[in-house]
Amino acid sequence: EAGVVQSPRYKIIEKKQPVAFWCNPISGHNTLYWYRQNLGQGPELLIRYENEEAVDDSQLPKDRFSAERLKGVDSTLKIQPAELGDSAVYLCASSLIGGMGTDTQYFGPGTRLTVL
Amino acid sequence: RKEVEQDPGPFNVPEGATVAFNCTYSNSASQSFFWYRQDCRKEPKLLMSVYSSGNEDGRFTAQLNRASQYISLLIRDSKLSDSATYLCVVRDTGGFKTIFGAGTRLFVKA
Repeated sequence: EAGVVQSPRYKIIEKKQPVAFWCNPISGHNTLYWYRQNLGQGPELLIRYENEEAVDDSQLPKDRFSAERLKGVDSTLKIQPAELGDSAVYLCASSLIGGMGTDTQYFGPGTRLTVL
Repeated sequence: RKEVEQDPGPFNVPEGATVAFNCTYSNSASQSFFWYRQDCRKEPKLLMSVYSSGNEDGRFTAQLNRASQYISLLIRDSKLSDSATYLCVVRDTGGFKTIFGAGTRLFVKA
């Protein structure tokens, strides 16, 4: 079974430029998460989708970050414009929410963003 | 106070040693608990869930203490391959809010 796929794996941009990350979750998983992980820290949730609905975007900096999950499958996370402090690893995860509300989150390899 | 707190370490132990990590959480309504493992420059991977009755998977034992609001991970007979960062994860019910700790780094030496 294919895992969570993310692209690109690495991205270097100058500040004020836009950037986009793409995620393809595990087939059949209805829930998709975007996390940001800074060096030496745990992942911090940015947004969670259940199918195509964003059910938790409270931690998403909405002035510059946007996300979409069209058709409830692939997802794109965008930053415009990027700032130096956005340098981090952006992780996508997916899970299948069962009847009991339990799930295991499977992570993709992440996109390492460097903003110069 | 952070919602999930871990000792960042690093823990440096010889092969064969037993090592234990604790993780405290602040939300008493938290319902689900996990330990994830993250290798350097890799994604986190689920190591084990933590059940109220405690659970064991080979050399790894996880326990939950709801009264004191902490979970623990015990690794017996440490292997070089156990060297990684161990992330404590806490999730509430309903909202499925998931909080990761900052991780505890473990180095197992030959």
